[in-house]
Amino acid sequence: GAGVSQSPSNKVTEKGKDVELRCDPISGHTALYWYRQSLGQGLEFLIYFQGNSAPDKSGLPSDRFSAERTGGSVSTLTIQRTQQEDSAVYLCASSPRSGYSSYEQYFGPGTRLTVT
Amino acid sequence: AQTVTQSQPEMSVQEAETVTLSCTYDTSESDYYLFWYKQPPSRQMILVIRQEAYKQQNATENRFSVNFQKAAKSFSLKISDSQLGDAAMYFCAYRSRDKLVFGAGTILRVKS
Repeated sequence: GAGVSQSPSNKVTEKGKDVELRCDPISGHTALYWYRQSLGQGLEFLIYFQGNSAPDKSGLPSDRFSAERTGGSVSTLTIQRTQQEDSAVYLCASSPRSGYSSYEQYFGPGTRLTVT
Repeated sequence: AQTVTQSQPEMSVQEAETVTLSCTYDTSESDYYLFWYKQPPSRQMILVIRQEAYKQQNATENRFSVNFQKAAKSFSLKISDSQLGDAAMYFCAYRSRDKLVFGAGTILRVKS
């Protein structure tokens, strides 16, 4: 079946502009996660959606970052007034469910964001 | 807060040889899961192997196996009969209930 898809694959934007990154999770997966991977570093958690529950936004680095998930499926990560330090690969993952289980998170190919 | 430490920024192995990647973690929880992910240059994160903390038996997936030492909070990955296709960045990750916490990664180079 289809995996997690993300668009665009690459995005170059000017400092101060807003950007939207899209994630299409695997159909039926109730949990959706956003991570950020800065150059040469590990992945940093940003935000997590589980079903209709309030999202866990504890990883968002500033109020310029926001995300929504419509209809329990597609998610959009928005970065307002982009800064050069926002340059990174943004990875989305989905999971059949969350909680205490060994379900893996399936990752998309990521969006490489470059802020000039 | 949970932390994951990978102390080897880079490792090299000769084709067909065995290599071990180290990972330690810190947590006060008793129920959790540990994962090794592989990230080739394509950026696609691929699950290599997983371990449930309540299981004493070390997980094995073909050429990949782990040495899970719960008391020492250690979770190393052993790759046997290394192949050129194993070259990638490897991330150790911890999860209890929801989000994954990742280590900084180890670049694995495979020499022919």
